[in-house]
Amino acid sequence: EAQVTQNPRYLITVTGKKLTVTCSQNMNHEYMSWYRQDPGLGLRQIYYSMNVEVTDKGDVPEGYKVSRKEKRNFPLILESPSPNQTSLYFCASSSRVGDGGPTGELFFGEGSRLTVL
Amino acid sequence: GNSVTQMEGPVTLSEEAFLTINCTYTATGYPSLFWYVQYPGEGLQLLLKATKADDKGSNKGFEATYRKETTSFHLEKGSVQVSDSAVYFCALSEDAGGTSYGKLTFGQGTILTVHP
Repeated sequence: EAQVTQNPRYLITVTGKKLTVTCSQNMNHEYMSWYRQDPGLGLRQIYYSMNVEVTDKGDVPEGYKVSRKEKRNFPLILESPSPNQTSLYFCASSSRVGDGGPTGELFFGEGSRLTVL
Repeated sequence: GNSVTQMEGPVTLSEEAFLTINCTYTATGYPSLFWYVQYPGEGLQLLLKATKADDKGSNKGFEATYRKETTSFHLEKGSVQVSDSAVYFCALSEDAGGTSYGKLTFGQGTILTVHP
């Protein structure tokens, strides 16, 4: 079954304690992206990756890091979480249009709800 | 930059009522337009799309027409069901070809609740 898997689904942590949210896809997609979803703001892109070892900032990258060492995995790292990073996080993947961008049909994981106290 | 504006929610309807969720956009080029749906506890999934002016996307009884003259992509369904209760997101993508990376820009989402 084609899917994007995120872990953990729920996490409560404290300010400053490093954490990693993992994301894995089994569709051989080149493009992967992280979004955060906040009430009234929709989805905002944090980081994206066009291929292995190729990552770039989205609209709200501050306080986050990512890596893309393998095609299937795209972990999101919060080095020193703060309460304003309390949010619902989604990982998404897509194939690309030739050497260009994603097709527009993103496949989303089920989300990771993070609370930072 | 690009932006998407959806009608204020939440929207509450009775089963079999007609649904319209308004979406307008601002874009510099010729974007593709999408509607995504998020059912409770799940990630977003693509509902329908349209890639050029006057195209109509349709799926599961939902329809939306790409109106370049009014920069709109309103979502409609003739008769909603309880199972349609979800959050609906309008989105646009810059031209995914050429040198653009085709980033998706989402609206803020509209919560739809359908009562029996």
